[in-house]
Amino acid sequence: GDSVTQMEGPVTLSEEAFLTINCTYTATGYPSLFWYVQYPGEGLQLLLKATKADDKGSNKGFEATYRKETTSFHLEKGSVQVSDSAVYFCALSENNQGGKLIFGQGTELSVKP
Amino acid sequence: GAGVSQSPSNKVTEKGKDVELRCDPISGHTALYWYRQSLGQGLEFLIYFQGNSAPDKSGLPSDRFSAERTGESVSTLTIQRTQQEDSAVYLCASSMNTGELFFGEGSRLTVL
Repeated sequence: GDSVTQMEGPVTLSEEAFLTINCTYTATGYPSLFWYVQYPGEGLQLLLKATKADDKGSNKGFEATYRKETTSFHLEKGSVQVSDSAVYFCALSENNQGGKLIFGQGTELSVKP
Repeated sequence: GAGVSQSPSNKVTEKGKDVELRCDPISGHTALYWYRQSLGQGLEFLIYFQGNSAPDKSGLPSDRFSAERTGESVSTLTIQRTQQEDSAVYLCASSMNTGELFFGEGSRLTVL
């Protein structure tokens, strides 16, 4: 079945460092891909998404490009802030019209001042 | 309220008891999801409701787990004869089928 694999955390960075969180997926069709974020004490919320190959999702300085050839959707940010400390989840859905989302195990990011 | 509301926020129960968890989705959202988040684990899909269609129950871990939804409104997740391995945070989400899920803050279940 479809699945998502993320790099293990926790990831600890200094403020203004470059961030990459790797995400790869296995899917039989052409899924939509998502990054969700869970800030401490809050519910999960959508960070960005991409619905087809070569699409780039972006939000709040974060970016991720849908790479069909490598089945990847790595999350990047050029300069992290303390406020970016959170757990990041990569996810896929089988289409862009709903249906269940399959999540990775989450990667905890801690940014130190 | 404007967001997805879950209750109770915390539930401590004894092994073997039944528990009910409630989710109030965002008004107008046709899709409703239940996920389970265990310590150190990702989000495990449990069940998905879409309008009047038959729910996707493929993620329910055993027949002790069941869920209902009244129309496009409230949903309850029931766990019968709870076991210690059921301890987790149970998350509800709703959606307008755009792929963007709106999550509640979860119900933390502890089975002693």
